[in-house]
Amino acid sequence: EIVLTQSPATLSLSPGERATLSCRTSQSIDRLLHWYQQKPGQPPRLLIYDISIRAAGVPARFSGGGSGTDFTLTISSLEPEDFAVYYCQQRTSWPTFGQGTKLEI
Amino acid sequence: EGQLVESGGGLIQPGGSLTLSCTVSGFSVSNIFMNWVRQAPGKGLQYVSDIYSDGSTYYAESVRGRFTISRDNSKNTLYLQMNSLRVEDTAVYYCVRETMWHFDIWGQGTRVIVS
Repeated sequence: EIVLTQSPATLSLSPGERATLSCRTSQSIDRLLHWYQQKPGQPPRLLIYDISIRAAGVPARFSGGGSGTDFTLTISSLEPEDFAVYYCQQRTSWPTFGQGTKLEI
Repeated sequence: EGQLVESGGGLIQPGGSLTLSCTVSGFSVSNIFMNWVRQAPGKGLQYVSDIYSDGSTYYAESVRGRFTISRDNSKNTLYLQMNSLRVEDTAVYYCVRETMWHFDIWGQGTRVIVS
C-alpha cells in the first residue's frame, strides 16, 4: 500500500496570503496524484488531477506540482471560501488518501 | 455532467447487513469505473471498493469478504452490499465516479451507523 503523508496537519493563514500544502508518498508514483477540497457537511470536490491539471471550474489561484514522492498544492492568494480540508490521493495502485490538511483562518 | 444520489444508510446492529444504492444520472454506470469511498466521523477519506467497466471488482482489505460491489446497468445504479457489519464500519459512504484514474464526481453520501 502506498502511504500518503500530508503536512502540515493544520495551516493557519489569512485571506490574501499564499498557502503551500505538502503531500509525500511512501514510494515514487507516476502522474496519478490528485487533490480534493472538502468543506464541512459536503462531499469532497476534485481540484487538481494528474499532479497539476486543474479540474473544470477550479480558479487559477490553485496550482499543483511536484514529482517522484513529493507534491504540493499551492493557493496563490487565499479567498475566504478556500478555508477547508484538503486531501491528496494517489491512483498508481489501489486508491489511498492522505490524512488531510486543514486550512483555517 | 452527471449526478450521484446515495441511499440505504441507517442505524444497524453489529453483525447486521445493509445495502447501499447509488442512483446515477447523466452517464452510464456500465462503461465507467465506479467507487465507494467512506469517511468515519471526524476522520479522513478511505477507499472501500470499485468496479471497473469490464465488471472487475476490487476491495480494501478491511472489507474484503464482507462487502460486495455490484451494478445494475438497466437501472443505472451502483450497489454496495455490506454484511457482518462492525462498529468500525460507521461512516458516511460516498458513491464516486472515476474518470481517467481520478474521482471527478461525488455523491452527497449516505450515513451508516453500526451500534
